[in-house]
Amino acid sequence: EPEVTQTPSHQVTQMGQEVILRCVPISNHLYFYWYRQILGQKVEFLVSFYNNEISEKSEIFDDQFSVERPDGSNFTLKIRSTKLEDSAMYFCATLRGPGSSYNSPLHFGNGTRLTVT
Amino acid sequence: QKEVEQDPGPLSVPEGAIVSLNCTYSNSAFQYFMWYRQYSRKGPELLMYTYSSGNKEDGRFTAQVDKSSKYISLFIRDSQPSDSATYLCATMNRDDKIIFGKGTRLHILP
Repeated sequence: EPEVTQTPSHQVTQMGQEVILRCVPISNHLYFYWYRQILGQKVEFLVSFYNNEISEKSEIFDDQFSVERPDGSNFTLKIRSTKLEDSAMYFCATLRGPGSSYNSPLHFGNGTRLTVT
Repeated sequence: QKEVEQDPGPLSVPEGAIVSLNCTYSNSAFQYFMWYRQYSRKGPELLMYTYSSGNKEDGRFTAQVDKSSKYISLFIRDSQPSDSATYLCATMNRDDKIIFGKGTRLHILP
């Protein structure tokens, strides 16, 4: 079964540094998402991306965050200047679409664990 | 009021028992309801999805939605140790944004 692949699996960075988290979506999927899960907390929506632009973003997704799909395959999440509170699991998810995930479930990658020290 | 509320557990039941997992949601406009299973250090995996009120069965799993009370349930029959995981209920708004509950940690005791 096709999978969403995320790299790296674990990233340790110092506060104030930039990090880029990478995701390779399932090949025929058109909608892309980033979610975050702080340890012991719920999975939180960050941003959705379709047709090379952001379609929706949450309050968490401030100016320090950006997403892009530079080469038509990788979907990246960049955090410009990391803070301690950015430490979390970051999940990429993709959807074949269009429309609801009723007919095409949202597929998650296994996540990148980001630790900011 | 939180959009999706779920008791985090942990919930421990003996192997073979029937498990009942529940969530409530606040927005009556939600129409799609999902249950995800998450093993440790893995991403959420879709288990079941339903549209509007009613029941849906898939093997040992039954998902139930009661829109009048804004209540979502997942039942697991003949529970197995491999069912031990965190179960996330989720709903989806009209913009395809999935909103998760906090997840319930389930332990099936052999």
